[in-house]
Amino acid sequence: EPEVTQTPSHQVTQMGQEVILRCVPISNHLYFYWYRQILGQKVEFLVSFYNNEISEKSEIFDDQFSVERPDGSNFTLKIRSTKLEDSAMYFCASSEGTGRNEKLFFGSGTQLSVL
Amino acid sequence: TQLLEQSPQFLSIQEGENLTVYCNSSSVFSSLQWYRQEPGEGPVLLVTVVTGGEVKKLKRLTFQFGDARKDSSLHITAAQTGDTGLYLCAGAADTGRRALTFGSGTRLQVQP
Repeated sequence: EPEVTQTPSHQVTQMGQEVILRCVPISNHLYFYWYRQILGQKVEFLVSFYNNEISEKSEIFDDQFSVERPDGSNFTLKIRSTKLEDSAMYFCASSEGTGRNEKLFFGSGTQLSVL
Repeated sequence: TQLLEQSPQFLSIQEGENLTVYCNSSSVFSSLQWYRQEPGEGPVLLVTVVTGGEVKKLKRLTFQFGDARKDSSLHITAAQTGDTGLYLCAGAADTGRRALTFGSGTRLQVQP
């Protein structure tokens, strides 16, 4: 089965540093997403991306966050100046964009630790 | 803000027993999905239900969407040790948005 690939699997950074989390969505998918899961808490929606622009974003996705599809295969999440509370597992996901019954595929996640 | 409450949070049963996990909200969802998540992995979609009252079966797993599209249940018949894991429900708002709201999950442990 096709899969969403995320790199790195673990990222440790100092508070205030910029980080870029990378994802390779499934090749024929049109919608791309970032979710995060703080340890012991629910999975939370951050942003969705379609046709090279953000289609939805949550309150969490403030000016410190940005997403980009720099080429035909990668989808990145950048955090400009990391805070301690950004420590979480970040999941990338993609879907074909066929509607309510579409299947969402999640990657294995990047565990971000901000020290 | 839409919320999904899952119950129970933890469930430990013996192999062969049946169980039901519930996912409830006061909000209407256009669709509801059930995922299973293993430690260190992303959620894996099990099923999507979109019609009020809909019932879907996946081998020993039966999923139901409430008539009012505010709640859902997952029933496992004759649980096996391989069913052990974290089960998550997630709903898409009835507004055409794609963002999913996740429940807090039910951690199932099936003892041999």
